[in-house]
Amino acid sequence: DADVTQTPRNRITKTGKRIMLECSQTKGHDRMYWYRQDPGLGLRLIYYSFDVKDINKGEISDGYSVSRQAQAKFSLSLESAIPNQTALYFCATSGGEAGYNEQFFGPGTRLTVL
Amino acid sequence: AQKVTQAQTEISVVEKEDVTLDCVYETRDTTYYLFWYKQPPSGELVFLIRRNSFDEQNEISGRYSWNFQKSTSSFNFTITASQVVDSAVYFCALSEVDRGSTLGRLYFGRGTQLTVWP
Repeated sequence: DADVTQTPRNRITKTGKRIMLECSQTKGHDRMYWYRQDPGLGLRLIYYSFDVKDINKGEISDGYSVSRQAQAKFSLSLESAIPNQTALYFCATSGGEAGYNEQFFGPGTRLTVL
Repeated sequence: AQKVTQAQTEISVVEKEDVTLDCVYETRDTTYYLFWYKQPPSGELVFLIRRNSFDEQNEISGRYSWNFQKSTSSFNFTITASQVVDSAVYFCALSEVDRGSTLGRLYFGRGTQLTVWP
């Protein structure tokens, strides 16, 4: 079984709809991250969490919110989706010494907002 | 300003050619880590290597090698005798350790699309 899972894997929605992307991990890591990938722009950080009580904005947090329901679960919400939020979204986790350990990525969620 | 720059957007080579992917980074931290990830056409992100700022030894793993030079703030990746299966997007990333507020964050470059033709 995958260590980092994301649901759904694909989603098509309409402008104005509320969408939640979910991430679960079985690696026991404290740190979790949400990124979005757009062609030619690489991965950009939306939010990150160092533990259940710690949530931090990344470089492109506007229009998004997150919830860290448990150590293993980190959800990303789009309160009112808009077409320029169409992208590939990745969840990642990291453990051990911060900065040192590589991040482990989920398989991604492809979101299309019409 | 971008912390990680991958100037090569796309590279095409023919199988068995050697290819080098460039990565230039910017940081004021004295302690940091550099990473390379591979994203094949299937879309997942695969960790390839981590290098810390105090270790400038080059590393070789099979057909892959990495050249880290602090003097030029570069961490280049070379694939020797490329194969079609090497076709992917490759990302270079930086993690800064000195600054508490950004601890554990990865700054990614925009990626280089490598296409290896048979």
